[in-house]
Amino acid sequence: GAGVSQSPSNKVTEKGKDVELRCDPISGHTALYWYRQSLGQGLEFLIYFQGNSAPDKSGLPSDRFSAERTGGSVSTLTIQRTQQEDSAVYLCASSMDRGSSYEQYFGPGTRLTVT
Amino acid sequence: SQQGEEDPQALSIQEGENATMNCSYKTSINNLQWYRQNSGRGLVHLILIRSNEREKHSGRLRVTLDTSKKSSSLLITASRAADTASYFCATDAATSGSRLTFGEGTQLTVNP
Repeated sequence: GAGVSQSPSNKVTEKGKDVELRCDPISGHTALYWYRQSLGQGLEFLIYFQGNSAPDKSGLPSDRFSAERTGGSVSTLTIQRTQQEDSAVYLCASSMDRGSSYEQYFGPGTRLTVT
Repeated sequence: SQQGEEDPQALSIQEGENATMNCSYKTSINNLQWYRQNSGRGLVHLILIRSNEREKHSGRLRVTLDTSKKSSSLLITASRAADTASYFCATDAATSGSRLTFGEGTQLTVNP
């Protein structure tokens, strides 16, 4: 079946503009995660959705970042008033359930460049 | 701060040789996973080892876990040029739900 998809694949924006990044998880996966990866670095957790539970937003770096997940499927990560330090690859992942034994399936990422 | 730390940061070997990468972490975990990443984009899951397991195999991959030392190793045997990638360990900490905490990765280069 189809994997996790993300759009756009690349986004260049001017400092101060808002951006929206989209993630379509694998059908049937109830858990959805957002991470970001700066150049040459590991992944930094941003936010986690599980079913109808309140999301775990503990990784969001500032109140300029927000995310929602509509209908338990598609998720949108919004960055307001972008800054140059927001430049990174934003990765979305989904898994079958909240539980320690489920691997996460990653999308190809959105490369965000803030000029 | 990152939970996992990989060692070495970079590794260059010849095709056919074995590659060993290590990961250390700080807190109690439910499981530890290894992922591979090509060209800085999507990650591919390689193997998951639970906290009550000590060793796991998958094809040319062998993972060990030592919870007393809070460390894991990934061994790739008979390496191929196509194994060139970044390898990350990720921990599912006992106190953080199912979010994964990633190390900064080992860049493996396999020379033909």
